[in-house]
Amino acid sequence: SQQGEEDPQALSIQEGENATMNCSYKTSINNLQWYRQNSGRGLVHLILIRSNEREKHSGRLRVTLDTSKKSSSLLITASRAADTASYFCATGETSGSRLTFGEGTQLTVNP
Amino acid sequence: EAGVTQFPSHSVIEKGQTVTLRCDPISGHDNLYWYRRVMGKEIKFLLHFVKESKQDESGMPNNRFLAERTGGTYSTLKVQPAELEDSGVYFCASKPQGGASYEQYFGPGTRLTVT
Repeated sequence: SQQGEEDPQALSIQEGENATMNCSYKTSINNLQWYRQNSGRGLVHLILIRSNEREKHSGRLRVTLDTSKKSSSLLITASRAADTASYFCATGETSGSRLTFGEGTQLTVNP
Repeated sequence: EAGVTQFPSHSVIEKGQTVTLRCDPISGHDNLYWYRRVMGKEIKFLLHFVKESKQDESGMPNNRFLAERTGGTYSTLKVQPAELEDSGVYFCASKPQGGASYEQYFGPGTRLTVT
């Protein structure tokens, strides 16, 4: 069954603007991760937030987690053309188990 | 440190043919995972190796898919015979055993096109 649903499916913004992507999930989680995929490349891990955390920052990235609503958001501030990529949220039950991904958001940052 | 590599990067085959995808994980990573993204939809789990053993193969769609990891190093994923719905991008990921990290390291993927 599909675990994560992300919205929007596609987002197009101008360089310098902020981009916000949302993810919802269905089951209880231990943590939630965000990955980025540039065209033709593999997935790159961006940030992980644990279920007992509400907000986390890493450079221009800010992730929030609301376990009561089973949702998370990824905010990219001051976007750059190089941020153009697909962004996926993913959840894992244990440190070794599979990841369950959302459908992803395609972000386009126009120069 | 070399990352996860996958071969080939792109494969185009006809329906009914056989294709074998290869994944070389990061050296020393005991955990190896296969995922695929079909038709631009979500990335779905296929299976998980710990060394040479299949830890979880619940995501394998049917018996046309066969994954191996002899010797616990590289892994292959064979599709035989390929069907149109098998088209998509197949990702491999690896992760060291133990520790508290949840991050998986992904390869660039193999784009499979079945015509």
